[in-house]
Amino acid sequence: KQEVTQIPAALSVPEGENLVLNCSFTDSAIYNLQWFRQDPGKGLTSLLLIQSSQREQTSGRLNASLDKSSGRSTLYIAASQPGDSATYLCAVRREGRGSTLGRLYFGRGTQLTVWP
Amino acid sequence: GAGVSQTPSNKVTEKGKYVELRCDPISGHTALYWYRQSLGQGPEFLIYFQGTGAADDSGLPNDRFFAVRPEGSVSTLKIQRTERGDSAVYLCASSPLQSSNEQYFGPGTRLTVT
Repeated sequence: KQEVTQIPAALSVPEGENLVLNCSFTDSAIYNLQWFRQDPGKGLTSLLLIQSSQREQTSGRLNASLDKSSGRSTLYIAASQPGDSATYLCAVRREGRGSTLGRLYFGRGTQLTVWP
Repeated sequence: GAGVSQTPSNKVTEKGKYVELRCDPISGHTALYWYRQSLGQGPEFLIYFQGTGAADDSGLPNDRFFAVRPEGSVSTLKIQRTERGDSAVYLCASSPLQSSNEQYFGPGTRLTVT
């Protein structure tokens, strides 16, 4: 069974810092990996998606990398802002054939607080 | 609307009651997913529809849980004889195809069983 772990569980930093959030998964046979943001009481907003054949994806101040063979991904947030405060979730989708491809396996998330 | 919508946003029910949670996916999305998120946890998969049929229901915790998608669009998650342990946020997501990249999530329904 795929297990996804996120470290740290919580992070509190002053505005302007560059941050690294970590995600690891036990089964490297993944189709893709997705990073989400979740605000309190809200649904999930997709931030970045990395296909298994890719090494990284960038969107604005966010950069996500993927090392499939070692089962790891990092989300890098540059010049953090108070508006970045949220829970960040990592999720992987399996590769292969069959109906179970659809599901995502999630980590517990990293709760980020950026203070002014 | 442009995104996935879920109703109700909040539902409080008494132990033993029956509840229905509704999901309206993005128009044209053939794949629809239900997840459950307990406090402090990541979402856990429940069931996945491709069109009208449940392609994978292996995440449903027991036979009190059932979901339908009769016309391949709107889906309803049904929970019978609710228990306090069913309290969670129920999230719905949709994507254009099974093998499509991204799942787009709705805001969720917060279910509280008293």
